[in-house]
Amino acid sequence: DTGVSQDPRHKITKRGQNVTFRCDPISEHNRLYWYRQTLGQGPEFLTYFQNEAQLEKSRLLSDRFSAERPKGSFSTLEIQRTEQGDSAMYLCASSPSSYGYTFGSGTRLTVV
Amino acid sequence: QKEVEQNSGPLSVPEGAIASLNCTYSDRGSQSFFWYRQYSGKSPELIMSIYSNGDKEDGRFTAQLNKASQYVSLLIRDSQPSDSATYLCAATPGRGSTLGRLYFGRGTQLTVWP
Repeated sequence: DTGVSQDPRHKITKRGQNVTFRCDPISEHNRLYWYRQTLGQGPEFLTYFQNEAQLEKSRLLSDRFSAERPKGSFSTLEIQRTEQGDSAMYLCASSPSSYGYTFGSGTRLTVV
Repeated sequence: QKEVEQNSGPLSVPEGAIASLNCTYSDRGSQSFFWYRQYSGKSPELIMSIYSNGDKEDGRFTAQLNKASQYVSLLIRDSQPSDSATYLCAATPGRGSTLGRLYFGRGTQLTVWP
């Protein structure tokens, strides 16, 4: 499979727990993005990597959120001390130099 | 005001008709525009991109851009039930912003009935 892979597909966690999501982009894509989408809304930008460098972070990305992309390959998004408001679909996308994003299947997070 | 606005619909058209989806954007510096299709429970899929004023056709899809009016549209000809989905409009930030993010509208839900 040469698409964008996200793991896990679903995550249910208790409020206050930490969660980590993984994204494996298309191998030749040097740009990687994280978005968050809630029901009835469009995706909201969280952060962007070009290779291993995190070039932009949204104000939505509070101190509880951190993302990494070691070695410019896969990326992880960690949410510490989860809150119910963090429940959403977390989407990873990758692209080459253009804006033609390819999204992964997403990780659906439910905080109970 | 959100950067990209769409009528959330729902828009309902009969099979074979033309579906017209509309989008406006607030950042006059935006240069690139995209339409994504999202089936229920799935992730967005890129279907069209447009960068210049005018029309761009790809099969049954036509994207239209009018930068003076800050308006983008998507026409779907010969609509099929399989076109039933939410259509997301997206735009790049204007010049001077980091060229990474896209601004998405909330999407328009399209239903094509047989």
